[in-house]
Amino acid sequence: DVKVTQSSRYLVKRTGEKVFLECVQDMDHENMFWYRQDPGLGLRLIYFSYDVKMKEKGDIPEGYSVSREKKERFSLILESASTNQTSMYLCASSLLPTRLYTFGSGTRLTVV
Amino acid sequence: AQTVTQSQPEMSVQEAETVTLSCTYDTSESNYYLFWYKQPPSRQMILVIRQEAYKQQNATENRFSVNFQKAAKSFSLKISDSQLGDTAMYFCAFMKSAGRAGSYQLTFGKGTKLSVIP
Repeated sequence: DVKVTQSSRYLVKRTGEKVFLECVQDMDHENMFWYRQDPGLGLRLIYFSYDVKMKEKGDIPEGYSVSREKKERFSLILESASTNQTSMYLCASSLLPTRLYTFGSGTRLTVV
Repeated sequence: AQTVTQSQPEMSVQEAETVTLSCTYDTSESNYYLFWYKQPPSRQMILVIRQEAYKQQNATENRFSVNFQKAAKSFSLKISDSQLGDTAMYFCAFMKSAGRAGSYQLTFGKGTKLSVIP
C-alpha cells in the first residue's frame, strides 16, 4: 500500500517561529499536495507540486511556502507562524494516471 | 473555478437505517470526476466512492452508492444498513479531467458530520 507519512501528529509553536511540516510518500508519485482543514471550511488547497522543484499556488498560499527537492518529500513552510495558522494540515500524493489521492494522517498545528 | 456545496453540516441516522448525504457542484467542464471521502476520528481520509462524469451508471461500493445527476450537477451519497463505524465526516470532492498535470487537484466541499446512533 502507498504510504504518506507526515512527520508530526501534533505540533505547538510560538508566534513568529519558522515552522516546517514534512511529508514523505513511498510510491514514486508525481503529484503532492498540501491542504489546510478547518471546521466548517472543509479542506482548502495551499500549494501543490507536480514534479521535483516545481510548485504551484493553490487557493490559500498566503503566509506559506513549499519545497520539493526530492520526489518523495514535500515540505510546507510557515516563514513566521501566526495564530491564524492554527489548523489541521493534510498532505496528499497522487499518481497522474489514476488521479487517486493518498492522504497522510494530518498534523494538528497550534500557534500560541 | 469549481465549487462544491454540501448543504447538511450535520446528520444522524439510526444503526441499520439508510441515510443520504447531499452534494451539488458548479462547473462548466464536461469531463470530470467526483468523489466521496470519509474522515473518521482517526483523521485518515479514506476514499469511499468515485464517479466519472462520462459514465451514466451510478457507482456502487458495497453499502455505499451514489445518485449522480449530471444535468442537475448533483452527486448524493447513500449509505445503506448504517453501521457505527460509518460515524465520520464525509467530504464531497470534484476533480476536472487532467490537462496539464497540475490541473487536476481536488476541490472539496465543507463536509457533513454523520453520526450513527446505536
